[in-house]
Parts: sequence; structure tokens; C-alpha cells
Amino acid sequence: DTEVTQTPKHLVMGMTNKKSLKCEQHMGHRAMYWYKQKAKKPPELMFVYSYEKLSINESVPSRFSPECPNSSLLNLHLHALQPEDSALYLCASSQVSQGPTNYGYTFGSGTRLTVV
Amino acid sequence: LAKTTQPISMDSYEGQEVNITCSHNNIATNDYITWYQQFPSQGPRFIIQGYKTKVTNEVASLFIPADRKSSTLSLPRVSLSDTAVYYCLVGDRSNYQLIWGAGTKLIIKP
Repeated sequence: DTEVTQTPKHLVMGMTNKKSLKCEQHMGHRAMYWYKQKAKKPPELMFVYSYEKLSINESVPSRFSPECPNSSLLNLHLHALQPEDSALYLCASSQVSQGPTNYGYTFGSGTRLTVV
Repeated sequence: LAKTTQPISMDSYEGQEVNITCSHNNIATNDYITWYQQFPSQGPRFIIQGYKTKVTNEVASLFIPADRKSSTLSLPRVSLSDTAVYYCLVGDRSNYQLIWGAGTKLIIKP
């Protein structure tokens, strides 16, 4: 299995809602990432988990809360989002020992989030 | 951290070879150069990575001159399905800090 699976593919939520994005991989990768991508822009790194521990938080607002329950799963909990948070949210994984620049990230197809 | 600069867009025709050049003037000694392809509403897909000289795989070649201040992604005999955005990244193998370029939108015409 060489895929990263993200659910849901599309999500519309109100500013007072609480929702979660889910990501799963079975490649044995021990580094997992959340990226945010706005239209016509490159992906922006949000969080990095290494061996199920949060290793990088790129100054992301607290309304985004990541969670890594085990080595295969990554969640992003959303609460009280703003319309400007609407974007494509991408999950990725990589081997840890050689970093993401060796064989690269494997990305999921993303969740298209719209905040209304 | 190195910054990358690449053309915003390029056009070509089916069957042609396409070369996309990325500039990374302040690339560090430990940085590798990586290219990704992204189709609309999909995650980026790893194409190729290199450190110096030339790297070739089944889909592309990557040319890196001796000074490593630029790199060129070469796509042989493109087809309509190669229409996508191509990103150049540089980053240190030892950490997670990858710098994404703004991306080159490649349009292949019949």
C-alpha cells in the first residue's frame, strides 16, 4: 500500500462548528505532516509529527489542533474557524531516518475545506 | 534557508521535450533539490530529486550544474496529461525544512 488516504474529500463547516480531518497511511512512514494550500499557492507546512510526537508547529493558530493516535493515523481537529481558513488541507508522510528530501513526501489527495 | 525562483507558466506541445529551470542562488551545502507535480485538487506527487550533476528516472531527468545555483527539470516527449503545476524545492536532508517555489504552471497543447 503506497497511498495516503484523507477523509473527507470535501467539508463545509460553519464558524462555530467542530470537525476533524483524518489521514491514514500504511507505508511504515514514521513522519507525518499537515499542509495548508490556498489557490494558486504552494503548500504551507503546518505541523510535523515524528514517531507520533509533535516536532514542528509552524505558529499555527490554536483553532487547529493536530493529533497522532498511532503511527498510521493523523487527525486535524478544527474549531471556530474563519472564512480565510478555507483551503485544501493536505496530509503527507515520509521516512524519518532520511528526511522528506530523500525519497520525498507521499501526499494524500487532500480535504477541500470551506468555512462559511 | 534557500529561496527558489521558477517561471510562473510555460506552454509546449505534445511530443516535445520541456525544460523547466529553477534558480536557487543561496542553496546550502547540505540541500537537495526536489521536484513535485500537482494536478488540480490533488496532492503533489514526487517526481525526482538530486544533489549534483544529472539524475534520471522513468519520468524525468534533473540537471544540476557544478555551482548548484540552478537546476533544470527535463520532461521528455510530453503529453496532454503532463499539464500540471511543477514545484521546485530545496531542503536539508537532516530536517523537515523544505522551501517550496511558487510553482510553474505547464500547459501542453495538442
